[in-house]
Amino acid sequence: LAKTTQPISMDSYEGQEVNITCSHNNIATNDYITWYQQFPSQGPRFIIQGYKTKVTNEVASLFIPADRKSSTLSLPRVSLSDTAVYYCLVGDSRLNSGYALNFGKGTSLLVTP
Amino acid sequence: EAEVAQSPRYKITEKSQAVAFWCDPISGHATLYWYRQILGQGPELLVQFQDESVVDDSQLPKDRFSAERLKGVDSTLKIQPAELGDSAMYLCASSLRDFTDTQYFGPGTRLTVL
Repeated sequence: LAKTTQPISMDSYEGQEVNITCSHNNIATNDYITWYQQFPSQGPRFIIQGYKTKVTNEVASLFIPADRKSSTLSLPRVSLSDTAVYYCLVGDSRLNSGYALNFGKGTSLLVTP
Repeated sequence: EAEVAQSPRYKITEKSQAVAFWCDPISGHATLYWYRQILGQGPELLVQFQDESVVDDSQLPKDRFSAERLKGVDSTLKIQPAELGDSAMYLCASSLRDFTDTQYFGPGTRLTVL
């Protein structure tokens, strides 16, 4: 079972770059790494997904080292609206369903002026 | 942009009563998921459908919970009887083909059991 570990909370000021690191030491060969964002009283929202090296989209970047035992979500120049919980997920290919996603507790990011 | 629909958004019930939640996934999405999220924790997968078939219900408390997706489109999650510990947010999500695709979540149903 690919378990993830990420900080419980982080604080940042507006305009700064925020990096949230997730550890997943038991990641399997076929597992992808996916990050979701969740605001209070809303369902999670997909941010970015990657398998190795670096992935970038209009919202964030995802850095994955060669051993894939960790990953870092990078949010450039955060704003107050980026205050949310961020979940790092790794696909569990062991289960019969192939890829059940385990959310864990996530990282609560607080952005202040 | 297409969205996952859920109803009701809020439900208050007394323990031992029956409750039901409804989910309409994004059109064309084959896979549908039901999650339960307790306050302060991440979502926990209850059941996963591929079309009308259950592919994972290992974490569904089958003595009181049931889920169906009869025509492979919308889905209903039922709890009977409800217990105090069932108070949580119930989230529905869907993905295009299978479990490797991005999941799109609905707004959820907030259940309070008194």
